[in-house]
Amino acid sequence: EAAVTQSPRSKVAVTGGKVTLSCHQTNNHDYMYWYRQDTGHGLRLIHYSYVADSTEKGDIPDGYKASRPSQENFSLILELASLSQTAVYFCASSDWGVYYAEQFFGPGTRLTVL
Amino acid sequence: GQQVQQSPTSLVLQEGENAELQCNFSTSLNSMQWFYQRPGGSLISVFYNPSGTKQSGRLTSTTVIKERRSSLHISSSQITDSGTYLCAMGTGNTGKLIFGLGTTLQVQP
Repeated sequence: EAAVTQSPRSKVAVTGGKVTLSCHQTNNHDYMYWYRQDTGHGLRLIHYSYVADSTEKGDIPDGYKASRPSQENFSLILELASLSQTAVYFCASSDWGVYYAEQFFGPGTRLTVL
Repeated sequence: GQQVQQSPTSLVLQEGENAELQCNFSTSLNSMQWFYQRPGGSLISVFYNPSGTKQSGRLTSTTVIKERRSSLHISSSQITDSGTYLCAMGTGNTGKLIFGLGTTLQVQP
């Protein structure tokens, strides 16, 4: 059974609208990450979290917020979606206390902003 | 500039041939991971290999930290090996991964 799940798997949003992407993991991992994948840029880190109720900025946090209400759940929020946020978004998890542990990825969410 | 350089960008093989994919890092790293991705698909971890050599079936990964490089060797390629292979390094103290742009492999019959 998949250990990292994401919802929705795809979404079409309108410019200026609010979008929430959800991630759920059953790995019992403390670290969770949100990446986006774009052609020509590869995957880049948006936000991450190492404990519930706390989030940290990654390399490209502008235009995104994150929420970690529990160890299992991590959400990415686009308050005002823009065309440039069209991309595939991946959530990942890894072990607590072992910074360089293997990361496990969810299936991705394809977001199209029109 | 790109901190993780992958080569080649693309590769076409005949079934049964071997492949060597390279990953070079511009900064020191604490870990590295190889992923496989089909078009429109998720990232499947192929190897977590911070250092040394690991083998899984027809796949072998070798990471040399001092030389800031890692390689992925695929022996006796199969059509089902086709897809994109991504390498990523872990650095700093956040556990984040920095990804290369990938090598697209096409194995033909």
